[in-house]
This record gives sequence, C-alpha cells and structure tokens, in this order.
Amino acid sequence: DQQVKQNSPSLSVQEGRISILNCDYTNSMFDYFLWYKKYPAEGPTFLISISSIKDKNEDGRFTVFLNKSAKHLSLHIVPSQPGDSAVYFCAASGDAGGTSYGKLTFGQGTILTVHP
Amino acid sequence: SQTIHQWPATLVQPVGSPLSLECTVEGTSNPNLYWYRQAAGRGLQLLFYSVGIGQISSEVPQNLSASRPQDRQFILSSKKLLLSDSGFYLCAWSTGGGETQYFGPGTRLLVL
Repeated sequence: DQQVKQNSPSLSVQEGRISILNCDYTNSMFDYFLWYKKYPAEGPTFLISISSIKDKNEDGRFTVFLNKSAKHLSLHIVPSQPGDSAVYFCAASGDAGGTSYGKLTFGQGTILTVHP
Repeated sequence: SQTIHQWPATLVQPVGSPLSLECTVEGTSNPNLYWYRQAAGRGLQLLFYSVGIGQISSEVPQNLSASRPQDRQFILSSKKLLLSDSGFYLCAWSTGGGETQYFGPGTRLLVL
C-alpha cells in the first residue's frame, strides 16, 4: 500500500523557469510533510517542510504548498537552476495507525533535470 | 553542529557472508535513529528505527537486524547475506521530539 505517491518519475525544465514537483498521499493522519533532494550515491538532503496547520511554506527559491482536502502537496522551485538537477523525494509523518516516533513514509522520487 | 557518519562507503560481499554497517551521530544526545534501504530505481524503505539504547523496532521482515549499543551508534547486521540485500543503505537521525530526519552519506552494498 503506497501511502505517499509521486506519480511523475521525471521532469525536465529549462533553466530560469519554474519546476513543480507533485506528491499525493492517502493517509489522513499524516500531519507533517517534507521534501528531500538526493544526488546519486549520496544521502538525501532536507530541503523544506510544512505542517498540516499551514498551506504554504517558503524558503528562498523553494515553496511547498499543501492542499489537505485533496491530500496533495507540491514543491515549486523558482527560478530553476542546473544545480537543482537531482532526485526529489516527498515524505510524510504522523500517527499513521500508531505511535509514529517520527517515522517517515517516502514517495518513489521524481528525477528533475534542469537544462541550461 | 550535528554530523552523521556511515562506513564503509562501498562494500562488495559474497552471498552467505556476514554484514556489519555502522552509523554514528555527533553533536546531539538521545537521537532517534533510522536505517533505510534504497533498492535500484526505487524509493526509500524504512528498515529499523530506535528511540534509545537497546530499543529497536523492525518495520519489515527481512534477513537483517539492527542494534544500538551506544546512544549515538546504530549498527545494521546480517549473519548471511542474500543477493536481494544489495542496495544503498542510509542511516538517519532526528531529535527525540522532531520529525525532520537528517541522513548520512550512505553505504552501497553489492552482494555477488
């Protein structure tokens, strides 16, 4: 049962344009959402997060939007840069059926390629 | 500041051999610790987590085990590796009450 889904395996964007990465979840108990960036053969790097009490969080070029009614979140990168090319994972946390102890459930990842 | 270390970075092991991967965290006390595996072309799967010394919870039945002999040390082990154990193993930590996890550099394991 895939509780967090990233339905687009890849995304290609021109440098300077907006990148929009999408993520859907099914468990309504999730209350905290995160985005990670991962380069090959490295550990994921935390980018930005959002609590379920908010619908938007912004940090520099990165903005995360949360639509609780649709169980959907998205990451916007503006403007996109070639160095943003990586795999992006969304993750969710919450009392998913028990004491979560901060456990994260990850999506499958989206490969972002930003062309110069 | 906090740092997380994993070693070795790369490991090639024959089927049936034992495994020991180590993870240590510096700059924090009583962290929650996690082991994940990323199989080729797939997302991150949580294998084990620990909220304290000697306290280990397993998320999926498997050929692996974990131990936490010290507050900031987390070890992933196997007595006999299988081909299906190949993958990229990641250790992560979070504060006791926090939900953001911070990952180590990972260990690439290839079982032949």
